[in-house]
Amino acid sequence: QQQVKQSPQSLIVQKGGISIINCAYENTAFDYFPWYQQFPGKGPALLIAIRPDVSEKKEGRFTISFNKSAKQFSLHIMDSQPGDSATYFCAASIRIESNFGNEKLTFGTGTRLTIIP
Amino acid sequence: NAGVTQTPKFQVLKTGQSMTLQCAQDMNHNSMYWYRQDPGMGLRLIYYSASEGTTDKGEVPNGYNVSRLNKREFSLRLESAAPSQTSVYFCATAQTYEQYFGPGTRLTVT
Repeated sequence: QQQVKQSPQSLIVQKGGISIINCAYENTAFDYFPWYQQFPGKGPALLIAIRPDVSEKKEGRFTISFNKSAKQFSLHIMDSQPGDSATYFCAASIRIESNFGNEKLTFGTGTRLTIIP
Repeated sequence: NAGVTQTPKFQVLKTGQSMTLQCAQDMNHNSMYWYRQDPGMGLRLIYYSASEGTTDKGEVPNGYNVSRLNKREFSLRLESAAPSQTSVYFCATAQTYEQYFGPGTRLTVT
């Protein structure tokens, strides 16, 4: 059972355009929603994350929009650049043990983003 | 400060062979994780260790075993490799919410 659904599977955007990747989740116990960026041959790296008590978080050209009632969140990349070409994963987490403050992540299936000049 | 290191980077096994994937971190994090990444499947959690001395199953633990040797090291063992275990394996560590990933091990089982 896939708890985090991600779309689209692949996306091609013109340089300078807006890239939008969407995710939906099922488990209302999730309390942390990160986005990871992965370049070929590398491990994923945290890009930006949001907690469910806010509806939007912006860091530079990257914005997460969060809709708690719809159980959906999305990543927007403004002024997309060729260097943004990578695979993006959304994720959601449930706390493992509250006294350690650590999370167990459930990932979406990934979106391969290509920015063309 | 190497962060999270994984060895080996590449490995080819024959069906039925065994091997251990090694992961080490110098970030002093309590939690460590093993994931596998397959095309179209995202990253799936195999096992995790919330702290030294504890391990627990993730989403896809069958065919794997783990050892949390100490706070720094977390190994993943395939006792009898199968072609279905062909994948890229990632180790990750965390102290709070953010997980830090290693560079991965690409494993092919023929």
